[in-house]
Amino acid sequence: KQEVTQIPAALSVPEGENLVLNCSFTDSAIYNLQWFRQDPGKGLTSLLLIQSSQREQTSGRLNASLDKSSGRSTLYIAASQPGDSATYLCAVPGYSSASKIIFGSGTRLSIRP
Amino acid sequence: NAGVTQTPKFQVLKTGQSMTLQCAQDMNHEYMSWYRQDPGMGLRLIHYSVGAGITDQGEVPNGYNVSRSTTEDFPLRLLSAAPSQTSVYFCASSYSGREETQYFGPGTRLLVL
Repeated sequence: KQEVTQIPAALSVPEGENLVLNCSFTDSAIYNLQWFRQDPGKGLTSLLLIQSSQREQTSGRLNASLDKSSGRSTLYIAASQPGDSATYLCAVPGYSSASKIIFGSGTRLSIRP
Repeated sequence: NAGVTQTPKFQVLKTGQSMTLQCAQDMNHEYMSWYRQDPGMGLRLIHYSVGAGITDQGEVPNGYNVSRSTTEDFPLRLLSAAPSQTSVYFCASSYSGREETQYFGPGTRLLVL
């Protein structure tokens, strides 16, 4: 059974720092891994989708990496800004569970001005 | 494009009442799904649909019904609301399946008294 874990649950850093969010999964048989952002009281917004055959995917100040063999993905945020404050979730659509996407519980990120 | 829309934004029900949460998308997506998000439980799949006329159960389907008569709409019905169904409900869609970028609606916050 696929399990997705995100540690830490919360992170607070000063503005301008580069930071890394972690996501780990137990079953390496995945189509891809998706990173989402959720602002308080809002829905999820897709940030990056990294295919199982890819190692990295970049969008602006965001860079996601994927290491299937170790069951890990990281989301790197460069030059953090207060507007980056949100909860970041990773999600894995698996082969083994019919049409199911397994979400991590998220990392709540706070960027201090 | 409006993307994925959900109505209502907020609803209070009494135990035993019924209601329908509406979800619509204007992106011609075949795959649509319903999640509930609870503190400490993350996002859990309730029901999903891979196209008009086709629905299936997710992880937590009990107490909920769905139908998909058109590509655009995917309503979620609570037949007899229970306090355990107090949650935030999100509808999501993608072009053809769980392995693609998921687009989420803004959510419906439901309180069952």
